[in-house]
Amino acid sequence: RKEVEQDPGPFNVPEGATVAFNCTYSNSASQSFFWYRQDCRKEPKLLMSVYSSGNEDGRFTAQLNRASQYISLLIRDSKLSDSATYLCVVNMRERRFGAGTRLTVKP
Amino acid sequence: SAVISQKPSRDICQRGTSLTIQCQVDSQVTMMFWYRQQPGQSLTLIATANQGSEATYESGFVIDKFPISRPNLTFSTLTVSNMSPEDSSIYLCSVLQNTGELFFGEGSRLTVL
Repeated sequence: RKEVEQDPGPFNVPEGATVAFNCTYSNSASQSFFWYRQDCRKEPKLLMSVYSSGNEDGRFTAQLNRASQYISLLIRDSKLSDSATYLCVVNMRERRFGAGTRLTVKP
Repeated sequence: SAVISQKPSRDICQRGTSLTIQCQVDSQVTMMFWYRQQPGQSLTLIATANQGSEATYESGFVIDKFPISRPNLTFSTLTVSNMSPEDSSIYLCSVLQNTGELFFGEGSRLTVL
């Protein structure tokens, strides 16, 4: 089993749609969790950290379920500019990246 | 936030040669890492660059193939040695800020013919 696994995607959604990504992790001792965004031919950039109680940043909501060892990212009211690859990142001894989920938002 | 400069940004190299990638950070950082991102894949950690000592390599990566230097807290190099087409990838330098955020350089896109 991979240390960090994500929905393979791609997700193709219309503008205004709500879309959710999941990510599972294998190490129950993982301490911190993040979602990164990577645009085509660019470096990854932090989208948001994921806190135990769940957290929201505008249209983006991240949740953590330690019992089931997964994190999720919900995007509401999708914009064309949300099109990117979303990487789940889990901190064990160091950061481990998921393979990424590609999202395309279409007009 | 840290500003990370990597060079070269891209290169095309011949099989059997070596290429050194430089990473310069605009502030002192304790933790610096090198990642590889192969086409269509996610990031794989190559090693942690330790200041003043040998790098800590992940499983599947060895010092002879990927020698790393870290002479101070703002600079590191990664060398890809004896290259083959399988080494064609994007190599990314990253640093960990005190906030817990991992910042990346823009990457060095390597193509080996």
